[in-house]
Amino acid sequence: NAGVTQTPKFRVLKTGQSMTLLCAQDMNHEYMYWYRQDPGMGLRLIHYSVGEGTTAKGEVPDGYNVSRLKKQNFLLGLESAAPSQTSVYFCASSRRAGTGPTGELFFGEGSRLTVL
Amino acid sequence: LAKTTQPISMDSYEGQEVNITCSHNNIATNDYITWYQQFPSQGPRFIIQGYKTKVTNEVASLFIPADRKSSTLSLPRVSLSDTAVYYCLVGRSNDYKLSFGAGTTVTVRA
Repeated sequence: NAGVTQTPKFRVLKTGQSMTLLCAQDMNHEYMYWYRQDPGMGLRLIHYSVGEGTTAKGEVPDGYNVSRLKKQNFLLGLESAAPSQTSVYFCASSRRAGTGPTGELFFGEGSRLTVL
Repeated sequence: LAKTTQPISMDSYEGQEVNITCSHNNIATNDYITWYQQFPSQGPRFIIQGYKTKVTNEVASLFIPADRKSSTLSLPRVSLSDTAVYYCLVGRSNDYKLSFGAGTTVTVRA
């Protein structure tokens, strides 16, 4: 089982460039999430989706856009990259929302983004 | 999502038992306690979840006292491969905005 797959795994951007991170899951999960992880700060939620065609803002949404046109895919876009967006980005999916029973999050391996 | 407090770091040696306590004084009736483990350069993975008393699986045990204001993750006989960051989350089924704090960095030495 592939689980949650993120592409690309590494990317270097110049300030002002745009890019899209792709997250794909093969578990037929309704819920998908994008997180960023910075040293000493744990994982912070950027955006999430509760189903195909839906998106919502998380804790740190500024500077990012997302789309969920297909149930299995969740895209994270940076329209004009800034050095402050240098981070490791993780995508996750779950069958149910929240942290109750069966709300287990499945994470991808991460995408390391550097903005110069 | 209830606020949680856990130690920043813990050191241990191979073969020892590691206990990580998470404080969650404002836990609500419908909240569950969930722990995740994150190895370097990987995404977090679920290790255990509980509501009350004790839960045990092949990886760890979770102890929850009657007042549920704290919980303790117990890793028996750790090995070097247990070196990771461990996150405690407290919340319920409708908590969409799940963020992980800094977690507890456990370092196991030979």
